[in-house]
Amino acid sequence: NAGVTQTPKFRILKIGQSMTLQCTQDMNHNYMYWYRQDPGMGLKLIYYSVGAGITDKGEVPNGYNVSRSTTEDFPLRLELAAPSQTSVYFCASSYAGSKNIQYFGAGTRLSVL
Amino acid sequence: GQQLNQSPQSMFIQEGEDVSMNCTSSSIFNTWLWYKQDPGEGPVLLIALYKAGELTSNGRLTAQFGITRKDSFLNISASIPSDVGIYFCAGRYISNFGNEKLTFGTGTRLTIIP
Repeated sequence: NAGVTQTPKFRILKIGQSMTLQCTQDMNHNYMYWYRQDPGMGLKLIYYSVGAGITDKGEVPNGYNVSRSTTEDFPLRLELAAPSQTSVYFCASSYAGSKNIQYFGAGTRLSVL
Repeated sequence: GQQLNQSPQSMFIQEGEDVSMNCTSSSIFNTWLWYKQDPGEGPVLLIALYKAGELTSNGRLTAQFGITRKDSFLNISASIPSDVGIYFCAGRYISNFGNEKLTFGTGTRLTIIP
């Protein structure tokens, strides 16, 4: 079972460059999430989506954009990369409901130099 | 943004020892979750707790949902080398309108000394 798949695994960007982090899930989950994890810290929510066509901001959305055109895919876009965006990014998905559990991808390690 | 207070930040133990870690919050949660993260991987769910006072086991792992709904602990008995990793607690709050928020602790790094 593939679960949540993130690409790429690693990326180095120069300041001001743009890129899209890809996330796809094959579990037919309606909820999807993007988190960032800074060294020694827990995960912080960037954006989330409760279904195709619906997205909302999390705790740290500045500098990022998302879209959800299909149930399976939830790409995260960095338009003007900054050193503060150096982090490990995790995508997760879940069903709706009181007992939903978030399943995480393996992460994308991004460095902005 | 809110973060849970998770302690200890790190633990150095010998194989076979028991481990205990906990999370506290100033806010109440509907659900407490415990995840483990191996190097280069995403968090993997270990235990989910849904009711205040609930005590749940998963093999050598035992976790409890505090009766105040503001804390939780995780115990690992008879540690083995594959227990090495970072353990995260997460509290989930679901509002009456169905809005959901998941807040993560800062993690406990477990190292086993040979």
